[in-house]
Amino acid sequence: EVQLVESGGGLVKPGGSLRLSCAASGFTFSSHSMNWVRQAPGKGLEWVSSITRSSSYIYYADSVKGRFSISRDNAKNSLYLQMNSLRAEDTAVYYCARGALRGGMDVWGQGTTVTVSS
Amino acid sequence: QSALTQPPSASGSPGQSVTISCTGTSSDVGGYNYVSWYQQHPGKAPKLMIYEVSMRPSGVPDRFSGSKSGKTASLTVSGLQAEDEADYYCSSYAGSNIVVFGGGTKLTVL
Repeated sequence: EVQLVESGGGLVKPGGSLRLSCAASGFTFSSHSMNWVRQAPGKGLEWVSSITRSSSYIYYADSVKGRFSISRDNAKNSLYLQMNSLRAEDTAVYYCARGALRGGMDVWGQGTTVTVSS
Repeated sequence: QSALTQPPSASGSPGQSVTISCTGTSSDVGGYNYVSWYQQHPGKAPKLMIYEVSMRPSGVPDRFSGSKSGKTASLTVSGLQAEDEADYYCSSYAGSNIVVFGGGTKLTVL
């Protein structure tokens, strides 16, 4: 079964850091670009970051550029999001999703919740 | 990176058709044939329903169809069923290696 499972969410104070992980299974992880997409409580979806198959190209939304870092380990079938200098407005459910920027994101994880609050 | 514009809500009776619009600019929807649509039920992850304006992934019923005219993309759901009640989001490639989403439309099946 094709599956993505996120972990690493939690409660963190403003200015703090958190590292999210996404474990992939059921498909050849190294053959696909991957993304992080977030959804603030009661709000819509917001694309956060993308990474190509071999990590050659990495892209970020302006809202997280310079604070978040996406990476992947194809040997471990895992995607990561290092989040630094967290702000209240980063509070959201974070989803990892498979797909290239120009195509659709066809596989999504169940999400992990990040809450930034003092 | 402005969000695409969707109506907050849409509705229809079982068996009817409903169309949800998604308006962007010449830099996103109007500039590329890379519009996707996602369905999201409460508390669940989004599900890809349409990609590249009108392509349906395997397993998505053909009651769902997509189109585009100029800067506006549309998702049409025909033969509405109770399980179609959900939030729907459009997205578009916006050049410069970014993706933008719409604000979402809550579809109610009356």
